[in-house]
Amino acid sequence: EAGVAQSPRYKIIEKRQSVAFWCNPISGHATLYWYQQILGQGPKLLIQFQNNGVVDDSQLPKDRFSAERLKGVDSTLKIQPAKLEDSAVYLCASSPGTSVYEQYFGPGTRLTVT
Amino acid sequence: GDSVTQMEGPVTLSEEAFLTINCTYTATGYPSLFWYVQYPGEGLQLLLKATKADDKGSNKGFEATYRKETTSFHLEKGSVQVSDSAVYFCALSPSNAGKSTFGDGTTLTVKP
Repeated sequence: EAGVAQSPRYKIIEKRQSVAFWCNPISGHATLYWYQQILGQGPKLLIQFQNNGVVDDSQLPKDRFSAERLKGVDSTLKIQPAKLEDSAVYLCASSPGTSVYEQYFGPGTRLTVT
Repeated sequence: GDSVTQMEGPVTLSEEAFLTINCTYTATGYPSLFWYVQYPGEGLQLLLKATKADDKGSNKGFEATYRKETTSFHLEKGSVQVSDSAVYFCALSPSNAGKSTFGDGTTLTVKP
């Protein structure tokens, strides 16, 4: 079974530029998550999708971050404009949406904003 | 809101030593509890889980018991190996939602 795929793996941009990350979850997984992991900290949930609907985006900085999950499969996370404090690893995870929500993580995208 | 507190690292042990990484949580209701591991250069992967009080999760020689009376889920292994060197994250998911709250991770280094 293929795991969660993410691209790119690394990205370096200047502040005020825009960037987009892509995620392809495990086939058949209804729930998709985007996390931000700052160095030395645990992952922090940005947004959770159930199929193509948003379940929780309470910690998403909506003035600069946006995410979509078209057709309930792939998802993109965008930052525009980026700030220095956005430097982090962006993790995508998926889960089948059964009663115990163990999550399967992708390798992450390491973003550096200069 | 929900929170997870892990013992601060880094933790350095010699091979075959006993490992304990403490984890306590704050949550309403009866959350599910997880330990995830992140090996160098890799993504997070589930190590073990427990879904109700007194459950014991186990995998690869690691164990953790869901203690509701002390709101704890401490990770233990009787004899660590160099290959166990990684960052370990404790996490919880509420009983009615998939959203997980993670601790800040504990870095374990095992020396031969």
